[in-house]
Amino acid sequence: GAVVSQHPSWVICKSGTSVKIECRSLDFQATTMFWYRQFPKQSLMLMATSNEGSKATYEQGVEKDKFLINHASLTLSTLTVTSAHPEDSSFYICSATILGTSGRGGETQYFGPGTRLLVL
Amino acid sequence: AQSVTQLGSHVSVSEGALVLLRCNYSSSVPPYLFWYVQYPNQGLQLLLKYTSAATLVKGINGFEAEFKKSETSFHLTKPSAHMSDAAEYFCAGGYQKVTFGIGTKLQVIP
Repeated sequence: GAVVSQHPSWVICKSGTSVKIECRSLDFQATTMFWYRQFPKQSLMLMATSNEGSKATYEQGVEKDKFLINHASLTLSTLTVTSAHPEDSSFYICSATILGTSGRGGETQYFGPGTRLLVL
Repeated sequence: AQSVTQLGSHVSVSEGALVLLRCNYSSSVPPYLFWYVQYPNQGLQLLLKYTSAATLVKGINGFEAEFKKSETSFHLTKPSAHMSDAAEYFCAGGYQKVTFGIGTKLQVIP
């Protein structure tokens, strides 16, 4: 149980184009979904937190106009990298917590397999 | 703000040897603590989680971690390393928002 999928698993695009990444909770409804970015040999950096039906909360230094997050349902969140540039190339990982968990913190995050983005 | 520190970005052990991956947290109030494993080009998988119910937490794949408040530590151990344990391990901690350590790459030598 608690499976999270991401699509696509990898994408190559030209500089200036936009790329959409989907994150789905397959067998549960998600209270919250998180988007992370991971550079080679580095840890995960939280980009934003999103809750269904409300605006995402972005971490300091993350451009919300560049990384658009839409959390349309309890099982789907999308991250759109707008006008992508080579420096946006990275491994993007989403995670989700299960609806109904306490909300007081400490909820287990279930991670997707990640999406590798390469911008040429 | 809490932070999580992993000591040793690379750890090598022989197959069958003890695995010890170190993690310390920095917080006046012990946060929730997690260990995740990441295999190449994959997302993270939860190994175990500390939520104050018990100081010794048993996880999957034979791993366990002990919470020591006096040392602000949450080290991950496994008595006998297996080749399949080779991966990157992340310690994480926090409350509503979780902070990840930089990761420790475990190499298992046959």
